[in-house]
Amino acid sequence: SSELTQDPAVSVALGQTVRITCQGDSLRSYSASWYQQKPRQAPVVVIYGKNNRPSGIPDRFSGSSSGNTASLTITGAQAEDEADYYCSSRDSSGYHLVFGTGTKVTVL
Amino acid sequence: VQLVESGGGLVKPGGSLTLSCAASGFTFTDYSLTWVRQAPGKGLEWVSSITTSGSYTYYADSVKGRFTTSRDNAKNSLYLQMNSLRAEDTAVYYCARDNIWFGEWWFDPWGQGTLVTVSS
Repeated sequence: SSELTQDPAVSVALGQTVRITCQGDSLRSYSASWYQQKPRQAPVVVIYGKNNRPSGIPDRFSGSSSGNTASLTITGAQAEDEADYYCSSRDSSGYHLVFGTGTKVTVL
Repeated sequence: VQLVESGGGLVKPGGSLTLSCAASGFTFTDYSLTWVRQAPGKGLEWVSSITTSGSYTYYADSVKGRFTTSRDNAKNSLYLQMNSLRAEDTAVYYCARDNIWFGEWWFDPWGQGTLVTVSS
């Protein structure tokens, strides 16, 4: 089955830019979506279909991809962006879904 | 648009439990649905998905043969029947609405989750 690998943790100064990456073979065929999860809350989608933001998600969140790597960028990070972030995509079969290992973002 | 899970609790290894997810605020029959779980302190794991009519179901290898996903479109409800439960099935179980667009697949919204604890 497919795997999606993320860095376990990153930190960013308030107002600065942080990029979170997600690597996996399935990303050569399928786009990644990104979820934000705050403690004791359900995940919320922040980017879907490579670089689309649902309504209500600030435009400081953006997505991109190249080869087997997808990225989520937070431009001008705010204190409320401190959370765990997970990527996801279809696996190689196309019928199952796989989540990334997750990245904890700390805003300093 | 709302999803509300119920049915979680404490169950012994080898036991069974059925989770429910009640949907409201959208046309239930227009959407596939998915179960995702999260073990304590761990990441998200896709568990199972079901198509709009319920004709097709898909399962993670970790639960295939033990879990069964179904839906009742008349009741706007999704179910997860869990059998032969193991300690490693302990997790918060979320139901989520599938969104599919030109092959892209994402979940929005999610329910609040229900905790399943498998322990003797």
